[in-house]
Amino acid sequence: QKEVEQDPGPLSVPEGAIVSLNCTYSNSAFQYFMWYRQYSRKGPELLMYTYSSGNKEDGRFTAQVDKSSKYISLFIRDSQPSDSATYLCASYNAGNMLTFGGGTRLMVKP
Amino acid sequence: DADVTQTPRNRITKTGKRIMLECSQTKGHDRMYWYRQDPGLGLRLIYYSFDVKDINKGEISDGYSVSRQAQAKFSLSLESAIPNQTALYFCATSDSIGLAGQYFGPGTRLTVT
Repeated sequence: QKEVEQDPGPLSVPEGAIVSLNCTYSNSAFQYFMWYRQYSRKGPELLMYTYSSGNKEDGRFTAQVDKSSKYISLFIRDSQPSDSATYLCASYNAGNMLTFGGGTRLMVKP
Repeated sequence: DADVTQTPRNRITKTGKRIMLECSQTKGHDRMYWYRQDPGLGLRLIYYSFDVKDINKGEISDGYSVSRQAQAKFSLSLESAIPNQTALYFCATSDSIGLAGQYFGPGTRLTVT
């Protein structure tokens, strides 16, 4: 079993929809949680990170962590076609190593 | 100019050949990483280096070796390529704290026939 699990999708939504992307993790030692966005033929880029449980908002994006259930979420409001990409969740432990989920492919249709 | 560059961007090679992938960064970061990405498996760590004299094996190091030539350069070698090493390879860098995340290069698409 992978330490970080993600539904691979693809997830297809109409423009303007609210998108919910989710991950589960198994390692209780994970302390930092990150979301990366990867466009086709590009390297991943950091979108947001959170520490421990709680929410963090950045524009149309909200990251949420529930450590009690080991659940990580990314919400995208007013989704745009330019949000179409693969979204990778990642967890970071005290040893400074990232463990990635497999990624969810999102398609936002105009 | 890109902060993390990788060469080559695409490579097709035959089974048994030795191949080197190169990575350079201008971020000034001490830490560098090599990952491979396969569909559905996400990014898996091959090797990482926290400074020039430090080399560590990652999750899937068998069949690979690395060299940290300088703070800014980290190369990955496949000593004798095999078809199941066909994948997308990414180099990444981070600072020593790591909270700003890792900065990824554009990737190298490697095909072993």
